[in-house]
Amino acid sequence: KQEVTQIPAALSVPEGENLVLNCSFTDSAIYNLQWFRQDPGKGLTSLLLIQSSQREQTSGRLNASLDKSSGRSTLYIAASQPGDSATYLCAVPGGYKYIFGTGTRLKVLA
Amino acid sequence: NAGVTQTPKFRVLKTGQSMTLLCAQDMNHEYMYWYRQDPGMGLRLIHYSVGEGTTAKGEVPDGYNVSRLKKQNFLLGLESAAPSQTSVYFCASSPESDSLVYEQYFGPGTRLTVT
Repeated sequence: KQEVTQIPAALSVPEGENLVLNCSFTDSAIYNLQWFRQDPGKGLTSLLLIQSSQREQTSGRLNASLDKSSGRSTLYIAASQPGDSATYLCAVPGGYKYIFGTGTRLKVLA
Repeated sequence: NAGVTQTPKFRVLKTGQSMTLLCAQDMNHEYMYWYRQDPGMGLRLIHYSVGEGTTAKGEVPDGYNVSRLKKQNFLLGLESAAPSQTSVYFCASSPESDSLVYEQYFGPGTRLTVT
């Protein structure tokens, strides 16, 4: 059974710092991994989707990597800003469905 | 495109009452999902559908029913609400994919409180 873990559960950093969020999954037989952002009281916004054939995806200051063999993905945020404060979730598919981690709650201090 | 929309945004129910949550998507997506999100539990799949007229159980289906009579709509019903169903409910949709890569698009959520 696929399980997804995100560590740390919460992170507080000063503005401008580069940071890495981690996502681990137990079954490496995945076709893709998706990173989401969730602001308080809001829905999930897709940030990046990495297909199994890719090792990285980039969007602006965000870079996501995928290492299927080790069951890990990282989301790198460069030059963090207070507007990056949110909960970040990763999800992997299990058949037609997605299995979510419980998220990392990020706070960027001005 | 509106993407994925959900109605209502908020609702308060008394124990034993029933209600239906509506999810609509205008992206012609084949797959649709209902999740609930609870503190410390993350997102858990309630039911999903892989096409018009089909439904399947997810991780936590008890106490809920669903219907997908039209491709663009996915309804979640609570027949007899219980306080344990107090949660935020999210709908999502995905396009069909030959590569088995399903990118999910989420609605804004419905906050339900059962007293």
